[in-house]
Amino acid sequence: GQQLNQSPQSMFIQEGEDVSMNCTSSSIFNTWLWYKQDPGEGPVLLIALYKAGELTSNGRLTAQFGITRKDSFLNISASIPSDVGIYFCALKTSYDKVIFGPGTSLSVIP
Amino acid sequence: KAGVTQTPRYLIKTRGQQVTLSCSPISGHRSVSWYQQTPGQGLQFLFEYFSETQRNKGNFPGRFSGRQFSNSRSEMNVSTLELGDSALYLCASRLAGDEQFFGPGTRLTVL
Repeated sequence: GQQLNQSPQSMFIQEGEDVSMNCTSSSIFNTWLWYKQDPGEGPVLLIALYKAGELTSNGRLTAQFGITRKDSFLNISASIPSDVGIYFCALKTSYDKVIFGPGTSLSVIP
Repeated sequence: KAGVTQTPRYLIKTRGQQVTLSCSPISGHRSVSWYQQTPGQGLQFLFEYFSETQRNKGNFPGRFSGRQFSNSRSEMNVSTLELGDSALYLCASRLAGDEQFFGPGTRLTVL
């Protein structure tokens, strides 16, 4: 089946630092999604990407759909304490299923 | 507008028992998906229902089943519980497109 890898697995950063994480797949897909899960809650969609090379921003978050269509990147600028959580990339398959990556756990040190 | 609600929020069962979890989607949303989240396996897709029909299914054994009612509310059932079924079960609803709205989940512990 499809495999999704995310790196890094976890990050500890100082407040104010920029963050970068990425996701790679074993196959080509047409839709990349980035979610964030706060402790004790369900994931929330941050950004959706539909075209190879597409760069989309949502406030301090920026995500890019890789040109090879097998990877995606999420950057967070000037991190703040409320950025803490688990960030998931996800793919939508041709059968309309959503497959989630293993997640990147982000901790922000004030 | 109320979000996705899941009941109960916490549940403790013993091996061999069965359990039913409930999900009420956002009003107007007809698609409901279920996911299992564990530390080891991450978020795994169980199934999706749309207009009372199962539209998609993940790779879970037949002990996991679901249904959707005419008001779009959905239930998920797990029979003959195993220790490995301990997980956070998340329900998500959507209207159209890719944005799924997740509920807070039901934390199931199997002893």
